[in-house]
Amino acid sequence: DIQMTQSPSSVSASVGDRVTITCRASQDISSWLAWYQRKPGKAPELLMYGASSFQSGVPSRFSGSGSGTDFTLTISSLQPEDFATYYCQQANSFPWTFGQGTKVEIK
Amino acid sequence: QVQLQESGPGLVKPSQTLSLTCTVSGGSISSGDFYWSWIRQPPGKGLEWIGYMYYGGRSDYNPSLKSRGTISLDTSRNQFSLRLSSVTAADTAVYYCARVLVRPAHPDYWGQGTLVTVSS
Repeated sequence: DIQMTQSPSSVSASVGDRVTITCRASQDISSWLAWYQRKPGKAPELLMYGASSFQSGVPSRFSGSGSGTDFTLTISSLQPEDFATYYCQQANSFPWTFGQGTKVEIK
Repeated sequence: QVQLQESGPGLVKPSQTLSLTCTVSGGSISSGDFYWSWIRQPPGKGLEWIGYMYYGGRSDYNPSLKSRGTISLDTSRNQFSLRLSSVTAADTAVYYCARVLVRPAHPDYWGQGTLVTVSS
């Protein structure tokens, strides 16, 4: 299985801060990477796919980059509704696997 | 708007079979554009893909389940189901059903999740 390692596991930030989350794959996954946001008690929501393509309706303050084994999700100016847990997921080979999650908390 | 909703027992005894159903609204499971999947998250652990079924009959399961899982589609009810046999406490988890784009394989809609506890 391809292992996905996210860092940090949690981050404390303030509204307006820039937040960057990284995701590293244990082998080359090209651009077969997605990012999800999950809020407590809610279903995860797809934010980005293909490493850098927006899902419909996602605010432009979110951006993704990377290819191969190293990827980043950046929130350029953190908003109150962005406090959540974020996961990366590879779709290069089955079983598709997720990172362990990064919790973005209010500072 | 596509919605998915899991249903099934919240408590299963060890060695028995876990059975869950996902009801899909706002879209047809007969569509060839999607896989229909189950994903779980044990308490304090990460998300784990259980498997998927495609309307055309293709399916695949995580080898970590050691052939205990079966996913089936009921097109007449627009539902799909998971059966996981010979459960142990390690199968205690929040179980999510999800619609997964065929290419790339990313879930674009998820259910809210249902907690299943394996305990006697």
